[in-house]
Amino acid sequence: DAKTTQPPSMDCAEGRAANLPCNHSTISGNEYVYWYRQIHSQGPQYIIHGLKNNETNEMASLIITEDRKSSTLILPHATLRDTAVYYCIVRLLNSGNTPLVFGKGTRLSVIA
Amino acid sequence: KAGVTQTPRYLIKTRGQQVTLSCSPISGHRSVSWYQQTPGQGLQFLFEYFSETQRNKGNFPGRFSGRQFSNSRSEMNVSTLELGDSALYLCASSPTSGDQETQYFGPGTRLLVL
Repeated sequence: DAKTTQPPSMDCAEGRAANLPCNHSTISGNEYVYWYRQIHSQGPQYIIHGLKNNETNEMASLIITEDRKSSTLILPHATLRDTAVYYCIVRLLNSGNTPLVFGKGTRLSVIA
Repeated sequence: KAGVTQTPRYLIKTRGQQVTLSCSPISGHRSVSWYQQTPGQGLQFLFEYFSETQRNKGNFPGRFSGRQFSNSRSEMNVSTLELGDSALYLCASSPTSGDQETQYFGPGTRLLVL
């Protein structure tokens, strides 16, 4: 079962920041937080991941709370093309390649 | 770099038939994972191959099998198809180097079983 809790849906106005929350209260010290998104009928797209520090790349920023029990994915200037289902995943990384366990995600609708 | 490619993109089969799906990972990636996505069950892990060996397996019946070739390309096979096998089958590849085990997904193969 997925170890994360996300709101089922959110709306965001085009051009505004989209802040997608995720709760992972049972996360362990060596588990990473991953974010993927899936645009309708396409394969999931990797966005960003982090362990405990905040991370930023060309797509988004990931803010992880100090106790690591929750995180927020920030899309700084949402566009219509960001409409998708966003998945927050907690994943153990080690010498083996642990599978991704997807929950139901958050359906983000960007509105013009 | 070219992304993960999957063939065919769409497939229609009838119950009882068998099907083989193909996945070519990103160049240099040695791990290939397969996932099934259905409206009812969401995205579920099938299995993962690394260096031609199955390293992880999800909770699917033995009708689902796979293999990986020396060039890291992978195939999955579903025998004796059932209506419930209709799904989007996704392949993901990763380099498996230390903590950079990010998986990158292909576009998927949509299978319809009639």
